Amino acid sequence: DAMVIQNPRYQVTQFGKPVTLSCSQTLNHNVMYWYQQKSSQAPKLLFHYYDKDFNNEADTPDNFQSRRPNTSFCFLDIRSPGLGDAAMYLCATSSGTRDYGYTFGSGTRLTVV
Amino acid sequence: TQLLEQSPQFLSIQEGENLTVYCNSSSVFSSLQWYRQEPGEGPVLLVTVVTGGEVKKLKRLTFQFGDARKDSSLHITAAQPGDTGLYLCAGVRRDRGSTLGRLYFGRGTQLTVWP
Repeated sequence: DAMVIQNPRYQVTQFGKPVTLSCSQTLNHNVMYWYQQKSSQAPKLLFHYYDKDFNNEADTPDNFQSRRPNTSFCFLDIRSPGLGDAAMYLCATSSGTRDYGYTFGSGTRLTVV
Repeated sequence: TQLLEQSPQFLSIQEGENLTVYCNSSSVFSSLQWYRQEPGEGPVLLVTVVTGGEVKKLKRLTFQFGDARKDSSLHITAAQPGDTGLYLCAGVRRDRGSTLGRLYFGRGTQLTVWP
């Protein structure tokens, strides 16, 4: 089945130690999104790639970066994780131009110690 | 600032009861989507409503998009324990002159259905 896969499912990192989260898709969608979801809060859009074009949300901290080396893969890099960055990170894909067909991965639960 | 406001935030009911969850905004969206999310998992799409006034039914779930495309509701008839979960509404917005849609979420309604 076509899907969005996030690795790892659970990640523990030390305060200030760079960490990378991975997302891959078999849907061949143009757009890949990263969301941050803290406990009891709405998923918050951090940024997205439309093909190779990177688009940052205005309030996304500089501590968060992203890379998309090809259509299938997208990475979320947190340069210096703080305790406040502990959250579920969700990757999603879409064709971009249609309102249908958003698909989410299962998420990566990040713990900062 | 939350673009989409959902209410209630928590809902705890007995099996067999009916319920309605509301999603409101001051912004117009090209579509609204409803998702269900289980603990430790990503959101799973339930339905997309596109046309103002549109009503969609999915078994015991009825979704409605407001005429002005600013609000939506989810009604569940005869709730069952299997309906327990976090229900999220999300709206698609496009910047002027752009065809790219971005999805913005409400905070969600945590529904618990007791046997």
